[in-house]
Amino acid sequence: DVKVTQSSRYLVKRTGEKVFLECVQDMDHENMFWYRQDPGLGLRLIYFSYDVKMKEKGDIPEGYSVSREKKERFSLILESASTNQTSMYLCASSPTGTSGKDTQYFGPGTRLTVL
Amino acid sequence: AQSVAQPEDQVNVAEGNPLTVKCTYSVSGNPYLFWYVQYPNRGLQFLLKYITGDNLVKGSYGFEAEFNKSQTSFHLKKPSALVSDSALYFCAVRDRGSGTYKYIFGTGTRLKVLA
Repeated sequence: DVKVTQSSRYLVKRTGEKVFLECVQDMDHENMFWYRQDPGLGLRLIYFSYDVKMKEKGDIPEGYSVSREKKERFSLILESASTNQTSMYLCASSPTGTSGKDTQYFGPGTRLTVL
Repeated sequence: AQSVAQPEDQVNVAEGNPLTVKCTYSVSGNPYLFWYVQYPNRGLQFLLKYITGDNLVKGSYGFEAEFNKSQTSFHLKKPSALVSDSALYFCAVRDRGSGTYKYIFGTGTRLKVLA
């Protein structure tokens, strides 16, 4: 069974703090993704990575950065948290290839509240 | 540009009745199409996908979806709804000719099955 884990289920931070969200997958997948989920807006892609140290911006990268130093781990960083970054954050991974046909496997999500 | 539309925010259906959750898409090339389900406080789980071949795709938990190229639709169906099917459903698309790893998700449809 593919497993994608996220470091926290719930997180409360203060405005201006630097926040790290960690994601680990155990299936040797090349591709990893960070989404945020907001009511009425669905899932929006923040960043994705197709290999170690490789990353590409998604649709809403502003205010975020990412790090992928090891294949199994993909970190999302909020450099200076703001209240409009309060959201559910979902990590996903998918197996090899650029064909795009591969299923994405999602972690349980981190509900972040920024006060 | 790729896009996905789920025109209904919520669908209510009585237990035992057939259900349909609608999805239409727009891509410049040929699509890969996916349905995911999200139960409360959980990450997304894969239900089914269309890659090529038979337009009727069967997936987990008795769900199926029909790819209709002329109507650019990929509606999710189940012949007999269960209360346990109540959840948030997301349609996703990827343009197989886009050359990127981006998947576009719809805004989600909340399915409520009434006992």
